[in-house]
Amino acid sequence: QVQLQESGPGLVRPSETLSLTCTVSGGSISSYYWSWIRQPPGAGLEWIGYINNSGGTNYNPSLKSRVTISVDTSKNQISLKVSSVTAADTAVYYCGRHSAVAGLDYWGQGALVAVSS
Amino acid sequence: DIVMTQTPLSSPVTLGQPASISCRSSQSLLYSDGNTYLSWLQQRPGQPPRLLIYKVSNRFSGVPDRFSGSGAGTDFTLKISRVEAEDVGLYYCIQATQFPLTFGGGTKVEI
Repeated sequence: QVQLQESGPGLVRPSETLSLTCTVSGGSISSYYWSWIRQPPGAGLEWIGYINNSGGTNYNPSLKSRVTISVDTSKNQISLKVSSVTAADTAVYYCGRHSAVAGLDYWGQGALVAVSS
Repeated sequence: DIVMTQTPLSSPVTLGQPASISCRSSQSLLYSDGNTYLSWLQQRPGQPPRLLIYKVSNRFSGVPDRFSGSGAGTDFTLKISRVEAEDVGLYYCIQATQFPLTFGGGTKVEI
């Protein structure tokens, strides 16, 4: 059974860069696409972007100028960086797997990141 | 961006009774390959989202058969045939026909 686990600092200062890692176990990351999604406290879900199995990326235009998603196949990890953060970036950040058949089929437990000085 | 609109915002239900959630998209979700990339997610309190239904009507692995999805084009429905206590939570539709992927605002199912 595939499992995804997000990790990273729980507190980031305004104007700095948020960095998270998603570690995948129970399967290879090379055969799938991988997304990052976020959910502000008490609010709905927002897709941030994805990386495909060729390293190509597609980002939400609302965040595109500040987001970088990358993959390290040797470590079975997907990374997310969001630059120049503000309080509006405070959210639970999820990584998710896309399968060709079922779409976003597996999600991590999520990592809460607060932006505050 | 495709806007996904869910109704109702909240759905009080009675255990053992059916429940229905509607999701409408601002444009057709039929993709050029003939598939419609509309999924339904369940988020129990304090939990991450979980895939229930993909491509409109396909139940994901391990999802009870009391959950069903239907619809086409721009109008979609998630039905729970007999609500159980563990079904309490938020339900979201999500489209993956066009980038960026977009979610409905969520429907809260409560007893």
